[in-house]
Amino acid sequence: TQLLEQSPQFLSIQEGENLTVYCNSSSVFSSLQWYRQEPGEGPVLLVTVVTGGEVKKLKRLTFQFGDARKDSSLHITAAQPGDTGLYLCAGVYNFNKFYFGSGTKLNVKP
Amino acid sequence: GAVVSQHPSRVICKSGTSVKIECRSLDFQATTMFWYRQFPKQSLMLMATSNEGSKATYEQGVEKDKFLINHASLTLSTLTVTSAHPEDSSFYICSATRGADYNEQFFGPGTRLTVL
Repeated sequence: TQLLEQSPQFLSIQEGENLTVYCNSSSVFSSLQWYRQEPGEGPVLLVTVVTGGEVKKLKRLTFQFGDARKDSSLHITAAQPGDTGLYLCAGVYNFNKFYFGSGTKLNVKP
Repeated sequence: GAVVSQHPSRVICKSGTSVKIECRSLDFQATTMFWYRQFPKQSLMLMATSNEGSKATYEQGVEKDKFLINHASLTLSTLTVTSAHPEDSSFYICSATRGADYNEQFFGPGTRLTVL
C-alpha cells in the first residue's frame, strides 16, 4: 500500500475541459509537493504547499493543501494537450522520508 | 543551478552481469542522495537514502546485496545492480538535496536499464 494515494489513476479528457487530481493519506505531512513527469525523464517540481489550507496558483493550475495536511488537490482549468503527463504528489514523512504518490496519468486529447 | 546528472541514460546488459549507474550533482554539494525505481506507468518507489561517507539506508524489501550504493563524495553516488536479471529492468532515478530540507530535491534525468 502507498502512503500517498492518488485518484484517479488514469484520466483522458478533451482539450478545454477542467479536471481535478486528488492526493490522500492517513498520515500528516509537513508539506506536499506536486510534480509532472514526461516519459523517460525525471520528475519536474510544480509547487510545494506547506501550510494547511494553503492554495497556490500556477497559471491554469491550482493546488490546495488540506487543512489537516493529510491531503492535497491539483485542479487544471481548460486543459491543453501540453498538460499531458504523469502527475505525482510527494511529501516528507516523519522528517526524514520522502515518498511519492501512486501517480495520475493524464492524457489531454486535441 | 542545482543540476543533477545521471550516466548512462540507457543501458542494456545480459542477465547475470553487473551494471553501475552514476548520479552526480554538477554545481552543488549534495548532503543526501536518493535512489528511486520506476516501473512503466507507475510512480517512483524510494529504494534507498545515502549520505556521503556513510552506509545507505535501504527501504524495506530492497536487497542491499543486490543494489549496492556508494556515496563516496559530496557530488557522486553510484548504484550498482549486481547479477542483473530481466526483472531488474526499470527506470532508475536519483535525486540530491543541498541541505537538510528533503523538500528541496533535485532530480536526475533517469537511467533506463534493460536486462536481456
